[in-house]
Amino acid sequence: GQNIDQPTEMTATEGAIVQINCTYQTSGFNGLFWYQQHAGEAPTFLSYNVLDGLEEKGRFSSFLSRSKGYSYLLLKELQMKDSASYLCAVDSGTYKYIFGTGTRLKVLA
Amino acid sequence: ETGVTQTPRHLVMGMTNKKSLKCEQHLGHNAMYWYKQSAKKPLELMFVYSLEERVENNSVPSRFSPECPNSSHLFLHLHTLQPEDSALYLCASSQEGVGQGIAGELFFGEGSRLTVL
Repeated sequence: GQNIDQPTEMTATEGAIVQINCTYQTSGFNGLFWYQQHAGEAPTFLSYNVLDGLEEKGRFSSFLSRSKGYSYLLLKELQMKDSASYLCAVDSGTYKYIFGTGTRLKVLA
Repeated sequence: ETGVTQTPRHLVMGMTNKKSLKCEQHLGHNAMYWYKQSAKKPLELMFVYSLEERVENNSVPSRFSPECPNSSHLFLHLHTLQPEDSALYLCASSQEGVGQGIAGELFFGEGSRLTVL
């Protein structure tokens, strides 16, 4: 079967660093995406990894290990506005995006 | 307008009603999607259209009927829905490298919050 696992909820303090993990088992792999979704809003693209290693984009970084079926999203210098759900998704074939349940991140002052 | 727009944003309907959700993308993408988002569940892919042809239909009940009249517009026609169909319905688009296994980022609309009474 196809499966993506990520923690349901995480809490962190403003200014801190948080790592959101994602493990996946899919029949195919064309890349892994991270999306951010604020309550009542559309998911928005954060990052894309297709090769092993770290992709850095400002305060956000994403890591991929294809051999381990593992990715993480790293958020640095957390801000209150980072409170949102973070969705891990794998493109397992043309048009076949598989999503995790999302990790709800709460940033506390 | 830019991006992906969905209307209506909120819809309340009875089980015997017929309504439609509309999605429009202004990005020139070649694929459009309907997803269902329920609380504590992963996004569920319902339908995919590529260049106006349906390419995916994930065992969705026939009370949901998609329509893609052109590459920019996508509809989801609803009839005789059940209360468990209450959810957020998200439309998305992407530009796919067809046949090349190139992943395209999904661009989502704001969603239509559906409540079935």
